[in-house]
Amino acid sequence: DQQVKQNSPSLSVQEGRISILNCDYTNSMFDYFLWYKKYPAEGPTFLISISSIKDKNEDGRFTVFLNKSAKHLSLHIVPSQPGDSAVYFCAASLNYGGSQGNLIFGKGTKLSVKP
Amino acid sequence: DGGITQSPKYLFRKEGQNVTLSCEQNLNHDAMYWYRQDPGQGLRLIYYSQIVNDFQKGDIAEGYSVSREKKESFPLTVTSAQKNPTAFYLCASIGRGNQPQHFGDGTRLSIL
Repeated sequence: DQQVKQNSPSLSVQEGRISILNCDYTNSMFDYFLWYKKYPAEGPTFLISISSIKDKNEDGRFTVFLNKSAKHLSLHIVPSQPGDSAVYFCAASLNYGGSQGNLIFGKGTKLSVKP
Repeated sequence: DGGITQSPKYLFRKEGQNVTLSCEQNLNHDAMYWYRQDPGQGLRLIYYSQIVNDFQKGDIAEGYSVSREKKESFPLTVTSAQKNPTAFYLCASIGRGNQPQHFGDGTRLSIL
């Protein structure tokens, strides 16, 4: 049973518009969430994270929103650029006394940004 | 530059053969991980090690083995018992505290 779900396998957006990638989770004990970006034949690179004590974290064009009651998080990219085209993975973990537990990954959403 | 190095980038395995994938990091990270990625799938955890000389099975450890004799190195052996080894293998490491995992660039393993 998937604990982290990305229900949209793909998303296509026009350059300059907003991209919204969604992620749902089932374990209410998760308290740390991350987004990774992955190009083909490369390892994932860390984008942005959020702790469960926050509901928003922003870094440049990237903003992550967390709705704990809905067990839902989303990544907003504004404005979207063609270089943002990649697969985006959502991941969640539990913290044990300040040490991060293992990450549970979603299946990814492939974002295509059209010029 | 600090980072994680995986080698080789491409690897071919014959039937019945064991192969070993290398993962080295110079980030002084304690914990290291091996994941497998299949097309259309997320990353699934094979093995992880929180400290030297200790490692734990992940969700899909069958057919794989690891060792952690040095902090910098966490090699993964894909044994002949792994019946479906064709995949993209990713190694990651993490330091202490609330930090993101850092990933290597992966090894693509194929069957001849």
